[in-house]
Amino acid sequence: GQQVMQIPQYQHVQEGEDFTTYCNSSTTLSNIQWYKQRPGGHPVFLIQLVKSGEVKKQKRLTFQFGEAKKNSSLHITATQTTDVGTYFCAGLIRGGSNYKLTFGKGTLLTVNP
Amino acid sequence: ETGVTQTPRHLVMGMTNKKSLKCEQHLGHNAMYWYKQSAKKPLELMFVYSLEERVENNSVPSRFSPECPNSSHLFLHLHTLQPEDSALYLCASSQQGARAEAFFGQGTRLTVV
Repeated sequence: GQQVMQIPQYQHVQEGEDFTTYCNSSTTLSNIQWYKQRPGGHPVFLIQLVKSGEVKKQKRLTFQFGEAKKNSSLHITATQTTDVGTYFCAGLIRGGSNYKLTFGKGTLLTVNP
Repeated sequence: ETGVTQTPRHLVMGMTNKKSLKCEQHLGHNAMYWYKQSAKKPLELMFVYSLEERVENNSVPSRFSPECPNSSHLFLHLHTLQPEDSALYLCASSQQGARAEAFFGQGTRLTVV
């Protein structure tokens, strides 16, 4: 079936180091979305990328969408303890008149102060 | 506050009990979802309702029964659950279409004893 693969599953960094998580889809995506879930919380929408090759920035976070619209990445520069949480990508796949949001397994980021 | 409210926040039930989870969204969205989040597993899409019609049922056991009486409300009726059904159950809503980011409720932490 249609899958969205995300790596790594876990990442532990020292505060100030950079962090990247990668997302790959077996099928072309209508868009890619990124969510963050803090420990004990619920997923919260961060951003959406729609166009091939699109790059968006939110302060220290940089999001990229691949040219083929099958992969994406989230890069955090100079991590802080507030960045701790699980980052999920979610690919929006069109099937007829319906759209299905398929989540990756997520990358759990822990930051050592 | 995401505009999606789930009740109860925590639920402990025996295997012979019947209970219901409730979700309400105040965002005017036309699609609602139930997800299951277990430890060390990705977000699992259970059911999708679009315009109050169930458009997806991802091979979910019949002991889980969804109900969507209108576009603002979604229920998950639980009956004869197993301990392995213990998880965080998340409700989400979106506007069906090409830019449909999901807004999640805070979830119901379910424990089956």
